[in-house]
Amino acid sequence: GAVVSQHPSRVICKSGTSVKIECRSLDFQATTMFWYRQFPKQSLMLMATSNEGSKATYEQGVEKDKFLINHASLTLSTLTVTSAHPEDSSFYICSAGTGKVYEQYFGPGTRLTVT
Amino acid sequence: AQSVTQPDIHITVSEGASLELRCNYSYGATPYLFWYVQSPGQGLQLLLKYFSGDTLVQGIKGFEAEFKRSQSSFNLRKPSVHWSDAAEYFCAVVRYGQNFVFGPGTRLSVLP
Repeated sequence: GAVVSQHPSRVICKSGTSVKIECRSLDFQATTMFWYRQFPKQSLMLMATSNEGSKATYEQGVEKDKFLINHASLTLSTLTVTSAHPEDSSFYICSAGTGKVYEQYFGPGTRLTVT
Repeated sequence: AQSVTQPDIHITVSEGASLELRCNYSYGATPYLFWYVQSPGQGLQLLLKYFSGDTLVQGIKGFEAEFKRSQSSFNLRKPSVHWSDAAEYFCAVVRYGQNFVFGPGTRLSVLP
């Protein structure tokens, strides 16, 4: 149980375009979803937290207009990178929480490359 | 500031040797503690977690970790390393009302 999927696993886009990444909890309802960013050989950094039906809460330094997060249902959250630039190239990982502070289940990640 | 440290950036061990990866945290109260493993290009896999109770916790793949309150540590151990254990290991903590905080990671290389 507690499986989280991400789609796509890899995506290459051209600079200036937008790309959407989906995060789904497959066998449970996620009251909260989290989006992390991981640069090569670095740790995970939390970008934002989203609750179903409400606006996401962004961490300091994360541009909310660039990284649009939608949490439309208890099983789906999307991250849209708008007007992508090469510096947005990174590994994006989502996690889904059940409401218990210590229960987060991580997705397999999405490798974004902006050319 | 609250933080999680993993003093070793990179560790190399021979296959069959024992392993210990260090993790320290700087929180006033004991947080929830986790160890995750990440293979290249992959997501995170939970190895084990500690919430309370017995300070020695067993995880998957033969890993164990020991919580030491006096040292604010949660070190990960394995008695005999396999080549497939080569990966990046992250210690993480979470406190009530707050989000996960990850350590910088330790990269494990295994020599044949």
